[in-house]
Amino acid sequence: GAVVSQHPSRVICKSGTSVKIECRSLDFQATTMFWYRQFPKQSLMLMATSNEGSKATYEQGVEKDKFLINHASLTLSTLTVTSAHPEDSSFYICSAPRPNPYYGYTFGSGTRLTVV
Amino acid sequence: GENVEQHPSTLSVQEGDSAVIKCTYSDSASNYFPWYKQELGKRPQLIIDIRSNVGEKKDQRIAVTLNKTAKHFSLHITETQPEDSAVYFCAASNERGYQKVTFGIGTKLQVIP
Repeated sequence: GAVVSQHPSRVICKSGTSVKIECRSLDFQATTMFWYRQFPKQSLMLMATSNEGSKATYEQGVEKDKFLINHASLTLSTLTVTSAHPEDSSFYICSAPRPNPYYGYTFGSGTRLTVV
Repeated sequence: GENVEQHPSTLSVQEGDSAVIKCTYSDSASNYFPWYKQELGKRPQLIIDIRSNVGEKKDQRIAVTLNKTAKHFSLHITETQPEDSAVYFCAASNERGYQKVTFGIGTKLQVIP
């Protein structure tokens, strides 16, 4: 149980365009979703925390106008990379706290974004 | 905020030997410490976790120890196998995970057949 489905798994886009990444909780309600970015051979860096029905909380140094997060329902959170540039190329992954009685987190399968 | 340090960054062991990865954390309020295994291009997979009310937990070849006083915790893998080769991340968070989790930098483990 506690499955998060993330789409797309891979996307290639042109510089200046926007890309939307979706994370859906399939068998539980995810009131909180964490969005991470992982550059090659590096750790997962938290970008923002979204909570259903409220504004996302962004980590220091993350541009909220560039990385738009929407968490309009208990089963869907989206990350939109706006006006993408090659330096935004990375592995983006979402994660939600597992519901009671479990501990820990469940991760989406990740999205490999390449901006050309 | 929380700061998690992890070492070593790379570790090579012979098949059958043991591997130990160590992490320290800074926030005494953290009370949940999961370990993740991540293969290239895939999502992190939880392999073991420990809560602050216990000092050690074991699951077959994998064990984790926690020293709350010193704020450090370690992953022990015994009888390593080639399929254990991956990147391992430690993390620290609150018990239910509704506050953000902080990951260590990762350890690339290579098990040499």
